[in-house]
Amino acid sequence: AQSVAQPEDQVNVAEGNPLTVKCTYSVSGNPYLFWYVQYPNRGLQFLLKYITGDNLVKGSYGFEAEFNKSQTSFHLKKPSALVSDSALYFCAVRDKGWGSGNTGKLIFGQGTTLQVKP
Amino acid sequence: EPEVTQTPSHQVTQMGQEVILRCVPISNHLYFYWYRQILGQKVEFLVSFYNNEISEKSEIFDDQFSVERPDGSNFTLKIRSTKLEDSAMYFCASSEGGLGSYNSPLHFGNGTRLTVT
Repeated sequence: AQSVAQPEDQVNVAEGNPLTVKCTYSVSGNPYLFWYVQYPNRGLQFLLKYITGDNLVKGSYGFEAEFNKSQTSFHLKKPSALVSDSALYFCAVRDKGWGSGNTGKLIFGQGTTLQVKP
Repeated sequence: EPEVTQTPSHQVTQMGQEVILRCVPISNHLYFYWYRQILGQKVEFLVSFYNNEISEKSEIFDDQFSVERPDGSNFTLKIRSTKLEDSAMYFCASSEGGLGSYNSPLHFGNGTRLTVT
């Protein structure tokens, strides 16, 4: 079964400092990995994805993520955090499945709350 | 940019009542999903829908739940007899279909907060 894990319930960082939100995955075959952000009382917004190619992928709002196959990780990073980055972050893997009509649902990690303090 | 829309934003219902949550996916998308999230915690898959039928469903999606695409634009989730534990945020999502569709992200609506009293 495919899964992702986010080992930290909460990450605290000072504004202007770099941030990392961790994610590890367990999949068969090549993973299709995604990061989403959720602001209070809102839906999930897509940040970035890794499908293939360069291990460092860039996304929205200055975020990037590094795919590491040997460590089965896909950590989310940002060089300089903003207070407005404070939100709930989810890592997810696409369930590629088999058979016609498989829609490839996303399987989410448990989420990490990012708190950026001024 | 096109987006997924959900109505209502908040639904309060009494235990045992039926509720219908509505979604309008992005118009050219072919795959549709419902997820739920309890108290800002983990986002749980309920069901996926493609070509006018359920493609996959989770253990949560029991006989009390049903989905329908009644016309070319709406996608609904019905809970026949609500229970207290159905209280959650319900998210609709859609994604592109076809070859290479797994490369595409799911696009989520802002959710419907369901409160069962």
